[in-house]
Amino acid sequence: DAKTTQPPSMDCAEGRAANLPCNHSTISGNEYVYWYRQIHSQGPQYIIHGLKNNETNEMASLIITEDRKSSTLILPHATLRDTAVYYCIVRVGLSNFGNEKLTFGTGTRLTIIP
Amino acid sequence: NAGVTQTPKFQVLKTGQSMTLQCAQDMNHEYMSWYRQDPGMGLRLIHYSVGAGITDQGEVPNGYNVSRSTTEDFPLRLLSAAPSQTSVYFCASSTGRHEQYFGPGTRLTVT
Repeated sequence: DAKTTQPPSMDCAEGRAANLPCNHSTISGNEYVYWYRQIHSQGPQYIIHGLKNNETNEMASLIITEDRKSSTLILPHATLRDTAVYYCIVRVGLSNFGNEKLTFGTGTRLTIIP
Repeated sequence: NAGVTQTPKFQVLKTGQSMTLQCAQDMNHEYMSWYRQDPGMGLRLIHYSVGAGITDQGEVPNGYNVSRSTTEDFPLRLLSAAPSQTSVYFCASSTGRHEQYFGPGTRLTVT
């Protein structure tokens, strides 16, 4: 699986859009970009994933550059409950034997400021 | 659906003791995994299973055993607890496509 690079921490004002960057310059053509977050000490929570097109769901938007070497997770109207560690992960989407695992790095600690 | 459940929530063991961390899911997911998370670090994969009767090792399997006799359950056994195994343990399940569902975690302290 390709490695990712994220800033260790970011702040964002409540109500503003939070933009979390991720570099994955060695991503392969069949690898997806996934975002998870971990609020305090809870289990990680899936947010969104994408291959090459931009994606949006009820939680966030994912913007992937045309060369797929980087992406940005956008939380459009950040609230205090969005304070968490955000993990960017790349891996092959369809699981084969031995391919199911997610490799978590240290992520970005996002703090929403009132 | 209860999703992914883990028991116990907290556990204190003495060095050398053995125990089993329980994980169950009611979503009929084929794939289940165990991770550990140490302070200031990301999650590291211990063992995983792609279906009943099939398990394999992850990044940090030493000192742990797993088995998968049913689709629903994936227990993690600590054979002889060591202080280095003090951690938070998360179980996860998925259909094998994209989204993984994580349990609330078990906080284990080995003294």
